Amino acid sequence: DADVTQTPRNRITKTGKRIMLECSQTKGHDRMYWYRQDPGLGLQLIYYSFDVKDINKGEISDGYSVSRQAQAKFSLSLESAIPNQTALYFCATRQGGNTEAFFGQGTRLTVV
Amino acid sequence: AQSVTQLDSQVPVFEEAPVELRCNYSSSVSVYLFWYVQYPNQGLQLLLKYLSGSTLVKGINGFEAEFNKSQTSFHLRKPSVHISDTAEYFCAVSEVIGGTSYGKLTFGQGTILTVHP
Repeated sequence: DADVTQTPRNRITKTGKRIMLECSQTKGHDRMYWYRQDPGLGLQLIYYSFDVKDINKGEISDGYSVSRQAQAKFSLSLESAIPNQTALYFCATRQGGNTEAFFGQGTRLTVV
Repeated sequence: AQSVTQLDSQVPVFEEAPVELRCNYSSSVSVYLFWYVQYPNQGLQLLLKYLSGSTLVKGINGFEAEFNKSQTSFHLRKPSVHISDTAEYFCAVSEVIGGTSYGKLTFGQGTILTVHP
């Protein structure tokens, strides 16, 4: 089983719909991150969380919200999806700031 | 605020040739530096990291990188590439404040390495 699991792996949704992307980890890490990847732009940080009660906005948080339901779970929501949110979304976990981040396999989201 | 610039969006190279992927960063404080690789349809995995000490860092699959503080660079190199090295490579930085990193990890735009036979 993967250490960082994202569900769903692929999703097509309509403009204006609410959608949630889920991430769970079995590594016991305290820090969790959501990134979106667009061609030529690298990975842009949406939100990050240092523990259940500590959630921070990244560079591109507008239009997104998150929930850290437990140390192992970190969900990303699009309240009203729009086409320019079509992207590949990655969840990552990390234990401490000087360690490597472990990534999920990604969720490919298409908003039509 | 920290930022990362990868100077080449695409690097084509022939098999067994050497390669260098360039990365420059900007930060007002000390940093930790990372290189990640992304194979098609997969997530990212760590190639190597610089935290402190020797400025030449060796990673997996024969890759190495050199930290140059004066030039704020962390270029990735491999002396002889293989077809299987074809992938996208990302440089990333995490700032160190008060002796510890506060955890935000910023990525560059990515460099697509294509190795031709």
